[in-house]
Order: sequence, then C-alpha cells, then structure tokens
Amino acid sequence: AQSVSQHNHHVILSEAASLELGCNYSYGGTVNLFWYVQYPGQHLQLLLKYFSGDPLVKGIKGFEAEFIKSKFSFNLRKPSVQWSDTAEYFCAVNERSRGRRALTFGSGTRLQVQP
Amino acid sequence: EAEVAQSPRYKITEKSQAVAFWCDPISGHATLYWYRQILGQGPELLVQFQDESVVDDSQLPKDRFSAERLKGVDSTLKIQPAELGDSAMYLCASSPRQGEYTGELFFGEGSRLTVL
Repeated sequence: AQSVSQHNHHVILSEAASLELGCNYSYGGTVNLFWYVQYPGQHLQLLLKYFSGDPLVKGIKGFEAEFIKSKFSFNLRKPSVQWSDTAEYFCAVNERSRGRRALTFGSGTRLQVQP
Repeated sequence: EAEVAQSPRYKITEKSQAVAFWCDPISGHATLYWYRQILGQGPELLVQFQDESVVDDSQLPKDRFSAERLKGVDSTLKIQPAELGDSAMYLCASSPRQGEYTGELFFGEGSRLTVL
C-alpha cells in the first residue's frame, strides 16, 4: 500500500524566512501529487497539484512544489513566509494508473510563523 | 461558493452509545468520501462512494461503522457502539464526475467526535 511521509511535524519560522516542507511517497507507479492546507478553524483546501509535465508547479499564495521522481519527493516551498501562512500542511497522493481518486495523506506539518 | 455541508460540528458521547454524522456534498459531485483524522495525524480514508455505490470501504471498521448514500446525494456515517478510540474529526469530501475530475477533493469543515 502506498504511504506518504512528512518528516517535519512542527516548523517555526519568522516572517520573511524561506520555507521548505518535505514530502516523500512510497508508491512506485504513476501518481498524482497534492499539497493541501488547513488554516486555523477552516476546512482543508487545495494548495497545488501535480499531474504531469513541468515538475515545478505553482499554487496559490506564492507556494510552489517540485516533483523529483527519482527521489519520490514532492517538497513544498515558499521564498518568504507571512504570518498568515500559519497553518497545517498536508501532502497527499493518489494512484493514477488505478484511477483512484481517494487521496492518501501524510501526517501533516504544522507551520507557525512568528511576526 | 458551493460547500460541503456536515453536521453536527461537535458531538460528545459516552462509549457504547450510537453516533451519526451527516454530509451533503457539493451539488452534482458524484464521488463522496468519509475520512477520519485523529489528532496529530493526517486524514485516513474510511469509505468512498461513487453515486450510491461503495467503491472502497476496506478501511472501514465494519463491526461498528456503517455508511450509506441511498440516493447518491447526501450520506450518513454511523458508529455503534462508540469506543474511546473513535474520538477524532470525521471529514466528508466530494469530487466531480470522471469527465470533470481535476484532482481536487472539496472538504467540509468536519464533525469532531469526543467519546467519554
């Protein structure tokens, strides 16, 4: 069964610092990759996704992620974080070849941005 | 903006009692998912429906959990009897039909269950 690993459980940064959150998945087949974000008191929402093509994808609010197939990784980055980026971030994957839509999520990374 | 509706938002119950959660997906979304999110962990799929049919319930503890989507629209997730370990957030999500699939799942705000 596929799994998703997020190694950073809690990250604390100051505003304007750069962010990189790690995500690795275990499945060896063709996958779709996602980052979801959950702001305090809000529902999970899509930040960005990768299906195919350019491995560097851009999402909302200045976030981007790079798919590195050889490393089974899909790390999330942002050059300069803001206090409003304080949230929990989840990496997720589904298996394209099986047509599965249900996502397998990582355990999440809590980001705390200090003003 | 269309949203996935869930109720109740919060539920406190004693162990061995029955609990039910309701979800109304975005209108026209054929696929509906129930996830469970234990504190400090990511969401885990319990059951997936395509219209009124169950596509995947391999992770649903069927001895105590049941889910239905009788008319292919709204859905109910039931736990009977509730156990202490069931304390979690229960999330409902939906996605459009195959031809309109963009990869995005649309989540509701969840139902937080506390079992005492």
